[in-house]
Amino acid sequence: GAVVSQHPSWVICKSGTSVKIECRSLDFQATTMFWYRQFPKQSLMLMATSNEGSKATYEQGVEKDKFLINHASLTLSTLTVTSAHPEDSSFYICSARMTENEQYFGPGTRLTVT
Amino acid sequence: GQNIDQPTEMTATEGAIVQINCTYQTSGFNGLFWYQQHAGEAPTFLSYNVLDGLEEKGRFSSFLSRSKGYSYLLLKELQMKDSASYLCAVLDSNYQLIWGAGTKLIIKP
Repeated sequence: GAVVSQHPSWVICKSGTSVKIECRSLDFQATTMFWYRQFPKQSLMLMATSNEGSKATYEQGVEKDKFLINHASLTLSTLTVTSAHPEDSSFYICSARMTENEQYFGPGTRLTVT
Repeated sequence: GQNIDQPTEMTATEGAIVQINCTYQTSGFNGLFWYQQHAGEAPTFLSYNVLDGLEEKGRFSSFLSRSKGYSYLLLKELQMKDSASYLCAVLDSNYQLIWGAGTKLIIKP
């Protein structure tokens, strides 16, 4: 199957700093990528839909100025958590859409804000 | 609104069979997915159903009834490594994935 990578796999940062997470589709081009957040023992929550060459579409309740998404190429989307706070600590997962009904997930990034 | 329901938790015995149900009400339907997610890891794809009926893939099978808004995932010959959460997700009319909350499956020896 298709491969999606995320970097870093885990990161610890201090409160108030910014963290960038990369999502790459390694063997296919993805015009659409998705960013999810998952808190412990909870299901995936879609944060935003990232479209190559255009602005991301954010879900209700997700602050676009805090979670900056850039989809600069057909194989790369980045999520930057700005001015991170402890409540932003979570498991962030990206997925890349290859076709309308094929979506592949990255391995996830565990963010801990101290 | 859009809604997907699945049991929160199920327990089964190693070597047995378990069926995890999923019911959905969504705006449009372009297929239903089952994913497996181990703790601390991203979901991995198990199955995709878009037509009614049973799809068998090794020890795992998935069934869909579009008229009833119902699907189930059947796991046979359970192994300890099958302990995980199983997520049901529906692709709606906008090709957006709508996720269920997941079913935590606990396998006991």
